[in-house]
Amino acid sequence: DVKVTQSSRYLVKRTGEKVFLECVQDMDHENMFWYRQDPGLGLRLIYFSYDVKMKEKGDIPEGYSVSREKKERFSLILESASTNQTSMYLCASSSGTFTPEQYFGPGTRLTVT
Amino acid sequence: GENVEQHPSTLSVQEGDSAVIKCTYSDSASNYFPWYKQELGKRPQLIIDIRSNVGEKKDQRIAVTLNKTAKHFSLHITETQPEDSAVYFCAASAGGSYIPTFGRGTSLIVHP
Repeated sequence: DVKVTQSSRYLVKRTGEKVFLECVQDMDHENMFWYRQDPGLGLRLIYFSYDVKMKEKGDIPEGYSVSREKKERFSLILESASTNQTSMYLCASSSGTFTPEQYFGPGTRLTVT
Repeated sequence: GENVEQHPSTLSVQEGDSAVIKCTYSDSASNYFPWYKQELGKRPQLIIDIRSNVGEKKDQRIAVTLNKTAKHFSLHITETQPEDSAVYFCAASAGGSYIPTFGRGTSLIVHP
C-alpha cells in the first residue's frame, strides 16, 4: 500500500514567518507534487518534481519554493507567509508516465494570522 | 495550457437515483482522464480513469464516458448511496507527462 505522509495536519503561523511543509512517500515514486486546495477552486498545482533536485513550476508558484534532496521527500517552503496563503496543502506522488495514478497525503491545514 | 471546466458545482440526489458530473477540457492533446473522490476530511483517491483510446469504462456502479471530438467526459454513478456523498474531481493530462489539470470539484450529496 502506497503511503504518503505530511509533517503536520494543522499548522498556525504568523505573517512573515518562514514555513516548511514536508511530504514523504514510501513507494519509490519519481513524481511528487504540491497542491493547494481552496473551496470552489479545486486542486491547484504549486510545484512538482520528476526527479531528485529537479523541480517545475505549476500554475500558482508565486510565494512558494520547493526542495527535493532525496527521492522520498518533497518540501514546500513559504519564504514569508502571508494571510492569503491560509489554505489546505496536499502533497501527492505518482510512479511515472505509465502508471499516472496520484496518491495523496492527508493534507496540512495552514492558517497564517 | 490545459483548462478543465466541471459542472455542476453541487449536486443533490435521493438515494437510489443516478448522478452525472460533466467535465470539458481544452487541450486536444490530453489523453488521460482520471476521477478522484474526496470524502469529508479525507484525502482524494482515484476511483476510475479513462484513456483517450477508449470511449467508456465501467466499474460496478460507476462509469466514465469520453467524447474526444467534443472534448468532454462524464462520470455516471447509478443507484447512489449515502456513502457516495463526497467531492468529486475530474482531471485531464496531456502527452506522456501525466501532470493533471483538475476541475474545481462537484459536491455530491446523497439524501437517504
